[in-house]
Amino acid sequence: GAVVSQHPSWVICKSGTSVKIECRSLDFQATTMFWYRQFPKQSLMLMATSNEGSKATYEQGVEKDKFLINHASLTLSTLTVTSAHPEDSSFYICSAREWVTDTQYFGPGTRLTVL
Amino acid sequence: AQSVTQLDSHVSVSEGTPVLLRCNYSSSYSPSLFWYVQHPNKGLQLLLKYTSAATLVKGINGFEAEFKKSETSFHLTKPSAHMSDAAEYFCVVSYTGTASKLTFGTGTRLQVTL
Repeated sequence: GAVVSQHPSWVICKSGTSVKIECRSLDFQATTMFWYRQFPKQSLMLMATSNEGSKATYEQGVEKDKFLINHASLTLSTLTVTSAHPEDSSFYICSAREWVTDTQYFGPGTRLTVL
Repeated sequence: AQSVTQLDSHVSVSEGTPVLLRCNYSSSYSPSLFWYVQHPNKGLQLLLKYTSAATLVKGINGFEAEFKKSETSFHLTKPSAHMSDAAEYFCVVSYTGTASKLTFGTGTRLQVTL
């Protein structure tokens, strides 16, 4: 089946620093990837849609200058949390849309802890 | 606004007994519906999806779901629970006709006891 990886799986950083999370589709090309945020024991909330070669589309209430998304190739999207603060601590999950089956396949997630 | 409601936040069953996880959607349009499972410290895995073909959808690991338009429901079932089924299950809907923008339910935690 289609596999999506994320790196790192967990990261701890100091307040004020930036953190980059990578999302890769390993065995298929994805023109569209998605970034979600999941709070403890809650559902996934879509943050933004990442389109290869163009600007990401952010959901209402998501700060695009804080959560920078780059989708430079058909297999890689990155999320950079800039000037991270403790309230940014969360579980970030990406997904990639596979066109043949028209299905989103999800990565294992990245747990971010900001001290 | 599009939404999906999972009626139970927690379901507990004994191993070998049937599983029923309930999901209702709100829509005036024909949605695409999905069930995903999330095991601890693992990514979400697609169990099955409905996209306006057969109303009874069979998925992996013995799970199936039936799309009932009159009831706006898409309940997930399995005849016999296994210990490995213990996980968080999400009912997910897309109203764009594709897997482009997904709306997640709040999740149902399935507990399987001996």
